[in-house]
Amino acid sequence: EVQLVESGGGLIQPGGSLRLSCAASGFTVSSNYMSWVRQAPGKGLEWVSVIYSGDSTYYADSVKGRFTISRDNSKNTLYLQMNSLRAEDTAVYYCARYGYYADSSGNYFRWFDPWGQGTLVTVSS
Amino acid sequence: DIQMTQSPSSLSASVGDRVTITCRASQTISRYLNWYQQKPGKAPKLLIHAASSLQSGVPSRFSGSGSGTDFTLTISSLQPEDFATYYCQQSYSSAITFGQGTRLEIK
Repeated sequence: EVQLVESGGGLIQPGGSLRLSCAASGFTVSSNYMSWVRQAPGKGLEWVSVIYSGDSTYYADSVKGRFTISRDNSKNTLYLQMNSLRAEDTAVYYCARYGYYADSSGNYFRWFDPWGQGTLVTVSS
Repeated sequence: DIQMTQSPSSLSASVGDRVTITCRASQTISRYLNWYQQKPGKAPKLLIHAASSLQSGVPSRFSGSGSGTDFTLTISSLQPEDFATYYCQQSYSSAITFGQGTRLEIK
C-alpha cells in the first residue's frame, strides 16, 4: 500500500526551528518528486516546497531562505527543516508525492497523490 | 506566480443537483490543472488530473473540463458524501499554486 506518514509537529516559539519528517511506504522517495503543502487553521491549501528526483528544489516565496526540503534515501523519508519560524507558519503540514503522467506528446502532467495525514505546527509564545 | 481564482467561494446545493465549480488561471496553463476534494480534518484527495482525467477510484459523477485559462469541475448528481471543499491546483509552473477553495454545503 502506498502511504505517507508525517511526524515532528508541535508547539514552537517564534524564531525557533523544527524538522518535519514524512516516512513513505509502497514506493521510493528518491525516484519521485516530493512536496510539502500546508494549511493554516480555517484557510486554504498553500504549496510550500518541492524536491525533484534529480535533487532540484523549489520554495514558495513565503518560506524561501528559512525552510529546507531534503530526503534520506536510506530511510525512504522526506524532511522539511523549518528555521526562523513565525506565527504565520502555524498550519497543518502535509507531505505528498508529486506524481506524473507523460502523454504521447511528451507532456508531463503532475499532481499530488497520495497525501499524508498531516502534522500540526503551532508557532506561538 | 500564476494566480488561480475559483468561483464561487461557497455554494449551497441539494442532493441530486448538478453543480459546476470554475477555476481561472492568471495565464495560460494548457491542461496542467488538477482538482482535489477535502473534508474537515482530512487530507485532500485527488479527483481529476490533467484537467479532465478521472483519478482511479473516483466516481464517474465527477468530471473536469477546460484548457488554457478556464476550467470547470462538474458533479452531475450530488451525493451526501460530496459535501466538502474543492480546490484547483496548477502544475504548469514550478511555483505551484492552488485556488482559494470552494465550499460546497447542503441546502
